[in-house]
Amino acid sequence: GAGVSQSPSNKVTEKGKDVELRCDPISGHTALYWYRQSLGQGLEFLIYFQGNSAPDKSGLPSDRFSAERTGGSVSTLTIQRTQQEDSAVYLCASSSGTSGRGPSETQYFGPGTRLLVL
Amino acid sequence: GQQLNQSPQSMFIQEGEDVSMNCTSSSIFNTWLWYKQDPGEGPVLLIALYKAGELTSNGRLTAQFGITRKDSFLNISASIPSDVGIYFCAGRRGGATNKLIFGTGTLLAVQP
Repeated sequence: GAGVSQSPSNKVTEKGKDVELRCDPISGHTALYWYRQSLGQGLEFLIYFQGNSAPDKSGLPSDRFSAERTGGSVSTLTIQRTQQEDSAVYLCASSSGTSGRGPSETQYFGPGTRLLVL
Repeated sequence: GQQLNQSPQSMFIQEGEDVSMNCTSSSIFNTWLWYKQDPGEGPVLLIALYKAGELTSNGRLTAQFGITRKDSFLNISASIPSDVGIYFCAGRRGGATNKLIFGTGTLLAVQP
C-alpha cells in the first residue's frame, strides 16, 4: 500500500497474556520506529530500526517489551505478560533515509493499534 | 519517557480566529517538527524546521525554529472547522538515532 499499515486496529486482551502488534512500513523505507501514546499524552519513543544496524531500544519501558524487524521490512512489537498500564495506542512510523536532516527524515505514521488490557 | 513542554493544552476558538501554540525544551534540538493528529489516525507532518531562526509557512500555517534551538511555535491563521484536532510538536537531536521527542499536545476546537 501507499502508507504505513498496522494490525490489528484494536486489541483487547486479558492481563498476563502476550500480544503481538504488526507494522508494515512504506515500501523502500529503511528506518522504522515504534511509539506509544497513552490517553491524553504525546507520543513516547519505544524503539528504532535502521537498515541492518543494531536497533535503538532505549525507549522500551521494560523487558516485557521487544521488537523485531524481519527482512528489513515488516516489524512486530511483542508485549509479554501484559499489564493494565500497557493500555495505549501503539504507533509505527517509517522514513526513507538515515540520520541527518531534510525531507528523507520525514516520519510517516500508521493509524496505530489500540491496545486495551483488562 | 521524556516529553516537551507544549502550551496551551487546549484551545476553543471561533472560526476565523488566529491560533498560536508553542513548545519549549531544556535541551537543544537540531530539528523541530509540527504534526496534526485526527481522531483514530496517526500524526501527519505539517511543517519541518531544520535551522535555528528558520520561519516556514505551509498555507495558513507558519512555524518558527527558535534561535536558542530550545523552542518552536506554530501559528494558524484564519482558522476553519477542519483545523480541529490535536497538534504535537516534536524535536530531534540527531546523531545515531532519529527518534522524535514529542510535546504533550494541544487540542484545538474550532466553532463554526
